[in-house]
Amino acid sequence: DTEVTQTPKHLVMGMTNKKSLKCEQHMGHRAMYWYKQKAKKPPELMFVYSYEKLSINESVPSRFSPECPNSSLLNLHLHALQPEDSALYLCASSHPTGTGGPAQYFGPGTRLTVT
Amino acid sequence: GIQVEQSPPDLILQEGANSTLRCNFSDSVNNLQWFHQNPWGQLINLFYIPSGTKQNGRLSATTVATERYSLLYISSSQTTDSGVYFCAVGQYGNKLVFGAGTILRVKS
Repeated sequence: DTEVTQTPKHLVMGMTNKKSLKCEQHMGHRAMYWYKQKAKKPPELMFVYSYEKLSINESVPSRFSPECPNSSLLNLHLHALQPEDSALYLCASSHPTGTGGPAQYFGPGTRLTVT
Repeated sequence: GIQVEQSPPDLILQEGANSTLRCNFSDSVNNLQWFHQNPWGQLINLFYIPSGTKQNGRLSATTVATERYSLLYISSSQTTDSGVYFCAVGQYGNKLVFGAGTILRVKS
């Protein structure tokens, strides 16, 4: 069972569209993450939020814009994506490092197709 | 950055067989997790094990931090164990680096 939820499960969007991915957790975690996973590859970190502040941006293109409105929610706003951005987008959460162990828990993912 | 190598890359088992998956890492870590990714993409936490040994049912894991490796043991494998097994390590902050994974196929 996962306590990290993601919506939508699937998303198809054109290159001129604007869409958002949503992630929610109710485990009291104060760190949240976005990962991108291409087919047959491991997940790759995109962004980390710690205490609602962006702490890591892995040089992600500006067409991906993260937002953390509160400690339970994480959004990823998408604009002017390219077909190569098609992937599984995974959200995760954890306690911040040093408090209760930094084990990360993942949501079920959003499968994004850019046409 | 830290390197994470998993072996074997692919593994085919007959139902009921046992297996050992290995994860080598190139530097000291303060986080090591094993995940199972099912065919629908869900990453399921198996173990958080930066050091020591843990067991959960038919699965167990051992991390020898001083020698920079971790092992995942699967006993009496079932077809539902099929999928990709990832080892992921963290050194500082909250950044996890994943290995390339081991694809496991269990045949009935």
